[in-house]
Amino acid sequence: NAGVTQTPKFQVLKTGQSMTLQCAQDMNHNSMYWYRQDPGMGLRLIYYSASEGTTDKGEVPNGYNVSRLNKREFSLRLESAAPSQTSVYFCASTPETGGPDTQYFGPGTRLTVL
Amino acid sequence: QKEVEQNSGPLSVPEGAIASLNCTYSDRVSQSFFWYRQYSGKSPELIMSIYSNGDKEDGRFTAQLNKASQYVSLLIRDSQPSDSATYLCAVNRGGSYIPTFGRGTSLIVHP
Repeated sequence: NAGVTQTPKFQVLKTGQSMTLQCAQDMNHNSMYWYRQDPGMGLRLIYYSASEGTTDKGEVPNGYNVSRLNKREFSLRLESAAPSQTSVYFCASTPETGGPDTQYFGPGTRLTVL
Repeated sequence: QKEVEQNSGPLSVPEGAIASLNCTYSDRVSQSFFWYRQYSGKSPELIMSIYSNGDKEDGRFTAQLNKASQYVSLLIRDSQPSDSATYLCAVNRGGSYIPTFGRGTSLIVHP
């Protein structure tokens, strides 16, 4: 049971390049989330998916797109990276609706945009 | 005003002391409250959840919730250097699975 996994762990992009951050969970969780964490800013929600086939914007969605590929996988895409997107990105998941609403986090992706 | 407020710290306590971390929230319909610990360069991990007014103890950790005053706190007894980390407070509205996180309080436990 690996929990929540993320790839890659580190990435450096040039302004304007695109990339997809991958996230997968093997805990049969319904809800999945993407956050970014910047120094002094705490965790800010980018997008979330309450269940397979649904996605919704969070607090800071501009410049990002997401895909809930199936129940296990939730990817985050940067179409044209900007230096302001330099951050640490965390994927998280929550158990079944009606169950405990605690979050389980992946190890993070450290992204630098030059 | 951010919905969940924490003092950024750092809070510095000597080894063996009680560390007290506080969090206030603005949404009165909040029903679930969490404390996550985050070591430098690592992801957040849940250490306590609390849903009812009062105290909840788990080992050296005690979470305290006061919904009337809209605050939740975390006490760490017999603090150890290994407790040095950033502590994130998170709050869920009733029926929501979308928590709002505070910015975190940095705790330093010095020998």
